[in-house]
Parts: sequence; structure tokens; C-alpha cells
Amino acid sequence: DAKTTQPPSMDCAEGRAANLPCNHSTISGNEYVYWYRQIHSQGPQYIIHGLKNNETNEMASLIITEDRKSSTLILPHATLRDTAVYYCIVRAIQGAQKLVFGQGTRLTINP
Amino acid sequence: DAGVTQSPTHLIKTRGQQVTLRCSPKSGHDTVSWYQQALGQGPQFIFQYYEEEERQRGNFPDRFSGHQFPNYSSELNVNALLLGDSALYLCASSGTGGLTEAFFGQGTRLTVV
Repeated sequence: DAKTTQPPSMDCAEGRAANLPCNHSTISGNEYVYWYRQIHSQGPQYIIHGLKNNETNEMASLIITEDRKSSTLILPHATLRDTAVYYCIVRAIQGAQKLVFGQGTRLTINP
Repeated sequence: DAGVTQSPTHLIKTRGQQVTLRCSPKSGHDTVSWYQQALGQGPQFIFQYYEEEERQRGNFPDRFSGHQFPNYSSELNVNALLLGDSALYLCASSGTGGLTEAFFGQGTRLTVV
């Protein structure tokens, strides 16, 4: 079973920041938070991951709360191409653990 | 870099038949995982291969089997196909025994009629 909880859907206006929340209250000390997205009929695309510090790359920023029980993925300037299902996953870094996908958040960017 | 490639992209099979799906991992990756994604659901882990051995397995029956070759490419075999096996089958590769982030292929859409 997925160890994360996400809202089923969200809307965001084009050009605005999209903030996608994720709850992972049972996360263990050796588990990272990963984000993937899946654009319709394509394979999931890796976005970003982090352990406890905030992370930023060319696609997004990841903000993890101090107690690590929740996180937020931020797309700073959303475009129509960011419309997708976004999955938040917790994964242990040791032992090459599988990815356990939940239902994700369906993000719709509106013009 | 071609990324993860899967073949075929689409496939239609009859109930009871057998099917083989293929995956070539991203260059430099040595670990391959397979996932099944039913319509409207998130991907479900089938199994993972590393060093030509099945290392982890999800909750799938023995009708689902796989293989990894010395060049790290992999096959997924499904025997005695059921209508419920209709799904998008995704291959993901990762490096260093699976410790790096996984990259997914575009998937094979299997329809069982």
C-alpha cells in the first residue's frame, strides 16, 4: 500500500506557481520522498527527490517539513505542458526498494 | 542517449495466449523493474531484475515471469492471458543496483480480447 496521501485533483492558472501537497506521516528515517509525474499515455517521469533538506532542480522545488511528515512540490511557473498526474512516493534508499504508487494528484493547468 | 525503450508499443492478444514484452534500459543502468498500470490507476510493481536474477517481486501470480540478459535488457512474459491483464506495462531502469532514480519507458499497451 502507498504510504502517502495526496489530493485527487488540483487546478492552477498558467504562469502561476503550482503547489502540490503530500502527507507521509509514517515515513521512516531511511526513506526519501520522491516525486514523479505522468503525462497522459506516457511513462512516469522523475521530477525530484529529497531526504530532509529542501531541494531544487530545473523542473521543480521540493519543500519537506522539519518533522518530515509532509512535503510540497512546487512548479514555479506552471505551463499547459505541466498538466499531468503527480505521484508522491516514499522510498528507502537502501536495498533498491520498489516504487509504490498511490492514486496521485491530477493537476490541470488552465489557460 | 535513447533512454528506456520498450517494444512493442501496442499489442492485442487473445485470452489464453502468451505474450513477451521487451525492455532496453537506459545506458549505464543495470537494474530493470516492471510495472503494470490498469486504466485510471497508479502503476503496480511486478518484479525487479538485477544481475540476471529476480531480486524483488510484487503481488502477481506465477503467470508473470521475467528474464534479464547479460546486456541488462529484460523481458516480461505473461502466460495464460486473462482479460484482466489488459493494461499498460511499464519498464523502469536504474543504476548502481537500483540505488539511483528510476527512469521509465513509454510502456507497452496490452489488450486482451
